[in-house]
Amino acid sequence: DIQMTQSPSSLSASVGDRVTITCQASQDIVNYLNWYQQKPGKAPKLLIYDASNLEKGVPSRFSGSGSGTDFTFTISSLQPDDIATYYCQQYENTWTFGQGTKVEIK
Amino acid sequence: QIHLVQSGGEVKKPGASVKVSCKATGYTFPNFGISWVRQAPGQGLEWMGWITPYNGNTNFAQKFQGRVTLTTDTSTSMAYMELRSLTSDDTAVYYCARGVGEAAYWGQGTLVTVSS
Repeated sequence: DIQMTQSPSSLSASVGDRVTITCQASQDIVNYLNWYQQKPGKAPKLLIYDASNLEKGVPSRFSGSGSGTDFTFTISSLQPDDIATYYCQQYENTWTFGQGTKVEIK
Repeated sequence: QIHLVQSGGEVKKPGASVKVSCKATGYTFPNFGISWVRQAPGQGLEWMGWITPYNGNTNFAQKFQGRVTLTTDTSTSMAYMELRSLTSDDTAVYYCARGVGEAAYWGQGTLVTVSS
């Protein structure tokens, strides 16, 4: 099974800060990597698909990059509405989610 | 508009089975797979498996092999997830989602509580 190592597990940043989350796959997953946002009590929301493609309707401050085994998710300017937990997900064969990153406002 | 609407919460005793349903509307049901993901209280997301409605093919996480059954009914655009031999560790919110790659549409979640 492919393992996904996501870091950090939590972070605290100020409004307007640039926030970066990383995900490392245990083997090459090409670009079969998505990023989700989840708020408490809600289903996950797709933000980025295929490593770097912005889902329709998602603000452009969210972005993703990477290929192979190393991937990065960025919020260019953190907003209060971005408080949530973020997950990476690989779908090279089966699915695996990263452990999640809880983002808080400092 | 695309919607996935799941059945209501369930309370089950250890050893029992649970069947959660997921009604899809707003798109051609056979054209997209349905994935199932669960989330234990305070924990992360855990993929269980997916099914492709047009041919019934399935793919499961090794952890759930032999204990979960995924089915679909293309005449009613319904997907079902049945989990057997429940333990307290199966207490979680269970989600259906459209797709076997990226999942842009999710059900609202179904809380399954396993308690004696």
